[in-house]
Amino acid sequence: AAGVIQSPRHLIKEKRETATLKCYPIPRHDTVYWYQQGPGQDPQFLISFYEKMQSDKGSIPDRFSAQQFSDYHSELNMSSLELGDSALYFCASSRFGEETQYFGPGTRLLVL
Amino acid sequence: GEDVEQSLFLSVREGDSSVINCTYTDSSSTYLYWYKQEPGAGLQLLTYIFSNMDMKQDQRLTVLLNKKDKHLSLRIADTQTGDSAIYFCAESLYSGNTPLVFGKGTRLSVIA
Repeated sequence: AAGVIQSPRHLIKEKRETATLKCYPIPRHDTVYWYQQGPGQDPQFLISFYEKMQSDKGSIPDRFSAQQFSDYHSELNMSSLELGDSALYFCASSRFGEETQYFGPGTRLLVL
Repeated sequence: GEDVEQSLFLSVREGDSSVINCTYTDSSSTYLYWYKQEPGAGLQLLTYIFSNMDMKQDQRLTVLLNKKDKHLSLRIADTQTGDSAIYFCAESLYSGNTPLVFGKGTRLSVIA
């Protein structure tokens, strides 16, 4: 079965640079969530979209923005990167009315 | 407020049963989930339970929910070395389409 696809899988950036992470949800899923998992930490919710509209907002820094496109894929844009942004970024998708979120493999971001 | 707590470590012998516990504080939680994360990997949905259920069994996995005490447990029968991973408990407040709040995760080590 098709899973959530994230790209890139690994990314190395310098401080103050920008990064764009992409997420392709499972076909027919209309909701996308972004989570950040720091080293040794639990995943923390950042932001979610349903039908291209922001549905919930968590602890997403103002330096980050995200959107969901007409084909339901989503992009997380990160600017003015800081060392503390080094983490595993997960995208998850679900279908409205269903109770399960399925996670992608994550993008590991390292900020030097 | 939302707070999910888990013990951090559990060590069991191969073939024994493992029981991973979780407590949550928000009584409005509708769904409770167990995710598995292997080193450097993504989050794999293992099972979930709706808040009006007491128990759910799925092959080697048994989930018990005590809603009065806000206590959730995951029992893994006949634990194998491949079960070694971090297990996250998570709650979803209103439906399956809302952000998940994760516990800190329990690191399960299986000794051969």
